[in-house]
Amino acid sequence: DSGVTQTPKHLITATGQRVTLRCSPRSGDLSVYWYQQSLDQGLQFLIQYYNGEERAKGNILERFSAQQFPDLHSELNLSSLELGDSALYFCASSTSGRAGELFFGEGSRLTVL
Amino acid sequence: AQSVTQLGSHVSVSEGALVLLRCNYSSSVPPYLFWYVQYPNQGLQLLLKYTSAATLVKGINGFEAEFKKSETSFHLTKPSAHMSDAAEYFCAVMDSSYKLIFGSGTRLLVRP
Repeated sequence: DSGVTQTPKHLITATGQRVTLRCSPRSGDLSVYWYQQSLDQGLQFLIQYYNGEERAKGNILERFSAQQFPDLHSELNLSSLELGDSALYFCASSTSGRAGELFFGEGSRLTVL
Repeated sequence: AQSVTQLGSHVSVSEGALVLLRCNYSSSVPPYLFWYVQYPNQGLQLLLKYTSAATLVKGINGFEAEFKKSETSFHLTKPSAHMSDAAEYFCAVMDSSYKLIFGSGTRLLVRP
């Protein structure tokens, strides 16, 4: 158990819909990262937050957005969903001063039909 | 820009045999390199990391990796494979904004 909790574990929805994925980082971790894992693209970095502020942005589509709340949990919002958005979305957290040492949740598997 | 390339999407070894998973990096500055493992239906877990303190890095579960600047490599090895080592392994490099860039992954199959 990494200590990072992601909900829901599985989600099936239709094209054009909007979903929200939730992540609770390990206790005390201020950094939260979101990654997308798919067969064709591999593991792609989406976005990072540190203590509520956006720290780095990767290949995140404009239809996607994220935020980190004062209690440090984070949400990834995916809208106008397309078939190609079907993937495993991982959240990870890390401790200050331990850059690169990420603790991953078990992921949220999104299927868009 | 930093990047890593993993050679071989699948590697198959017999139980008890040497495991060698290859990773080459591209970086304009001394890199911070990592190996992560993903077991089926789980998130990634850190195996080991290189931060320039020592070229041979020991990790969990008997794995180690050697940083070779002349070859721009950071290959992962384990002397004797166990059935429980079957998983997908990812090499990663940390970029200038401290985020990890992952390779495409290598799936390790262990034959009885």
